[in-house]
Amino acid sequence: GAGVSQSPSNKVTEKGKDVELRCDPISGHTALYWYRQRLGQGLEFLIYFQGNSAPDKSGLPSDRFSAERTGESVSTLTIQRTQQEDSAVYLCASSQGPALNYGYTFGSGTRLTVV
Amino acid sequence: QKEVEQNSGPLSVPEGAIASLNCTYSDRGSQSFFWYRQYSGKSPELIMSIYSNGDKEDGRFTAQLNKASQYVSLLIRDSQPSDSATYLCAVNTGTASKLTFGTGTRLQVTL
Repeated sequence: GAGVSQSPSNKVTEKGKDVELRCDPISGHTALYWYRQRLGQGLEFLIYFQGNSAPDKSGLPSDRFSAERTGESVSTLTIQRTQQEDSAVYLCASSQGPALNYGYTFGSGTRLTVV
Repeated sequence: QKEVEQNSGPLSVPEGAIASLNCTYSDRGSQSFFWYRQYSGKSPELIMSIYSNGDKEDGRFTAQLNKASQYVSLLIRDSQPSDSATYLCAVNTGTASKLTFGTGTRLQVTL
């Protein structure tokens, strides 16, 4: 696609429910990243995919968080048993190669609100 | 010490002035440096990249890098109200594959 596409754009969920966030990267971009941005704060790295494997998942805050990528394309980030502190904008980014050479292109994000 | 540090601001400059945004980083092995602009409620947008010591100009934007001082800056000439946003500094730290972001500097361009 022309850009990084994320869905849904907004999600309100009850505490304790599971949520799935989707990211569709730019076609041909092999690297995919998930970041979290809490209100008024910086970008917090969650996980990095190269192809379908995740060589760096060091930023996932707990075992309630998981992510997968299939077909070297779409990725889903799943948050189980959501908590209020999970409320944030979840940003997906993709890159055509190593980040140090290309930087990232971000999607428009999913705003998650846990009530 | 944070890996990438920025003054949170707000930095207020009058229209037409030069805005100077600064960033320091801790990893001496960092090779690539990026500036992103983030409007309120929007996602970050890449505006500049710089890899070598010195200056790199693109339109009204100039990125400056000093690896010895571990310092990167962004100058915006002829600042416009539409430049009002948060500017994020991003650096590859420790790995070729991931960028670490500063918390951003909020710029306000006043009429």
